[in-house]
Amino acid sequence: AQSVSQHNHHVILSEAASLELGCNYSYGGTVNLFWYVQYPGQHLQLLLKYFSGDPLVKGIKGFEAEFIKSKFSFNLRKPSVQWSDTAEYFCAVIGAQKLVFGQGTRLTINP
Amino acid sequence: KAGVTQTPRYLIKTRGQQVTLSCSPISGHRSVSWYQQTPGQGLQFLFEYFSETQRNKGNFPGRFSGRQFSNSRSEMNVSTLELGDSALYLCASSRQLAGDGTDTQYFGPGTRLTVL
Repeated sequence: AQSVSQHNHHVILSEAASLELGCNYSYGGTVNLFWYVQYPGQHLQLLLKYFSGDPLVKGIKGFEAEFIKSKFSFNLRKPSVQWSDTAEYFCAVIGAQKLVFGQGTRLTINP
Repeated sequence: KAGVTQTPRYLIKTRGQQVTLSCSPISGHRSVSWYQQTPGQGLQFLFEYFSETQRNKGNFPGRFSGRQFSNSRSEMNVSTLELGDSALYLCASSRQLAGDGTDTQYFGPGTRLTVL
């Protein structure tokens, strides 16, 4: 069965710092990959997705992610974070007919 | 365009009772998926309904069941509630079958279930 690992459980950064959140998945077949964000008190929102094509995917609010097939990774990046990026971030993969989520990474941005 | 709506938003039940949660998908979406979110287990897939048929199921006991109506609205039922069922239950909708992986799922705000 496929699984998703997010190694960083809680990340604390200062505003304007660069961000990279790790995501690794285990599934041997074709996968589609997602990053979702859950702001405090709000519901899950899609940040970006990868289905095929250019492995560097750009999403909303300045986020991007790179799919590296050989490393089974789909890391999320942002060059300069803002206080409003404080949220929980979830990586997810669809393989074998199911959307499987990672455990999530809580991101805290200090002003 | 209205998003995914879930009712009720909060629910308190006692052990042994049963509960029914409701989800209305985005207009035009035919797939509804349900997830359980807990601090310890994260987000776990329960099941997906498409055109009134359950198309995929996660690893949950038979106490968890669901159905979908002809207007794509879906309900989830949990019988004989246990303390461990306390969680945020999320519903997501998409135009096509989410399990095919070619479409995006849009999530509702969730129903917070507390079992005492």
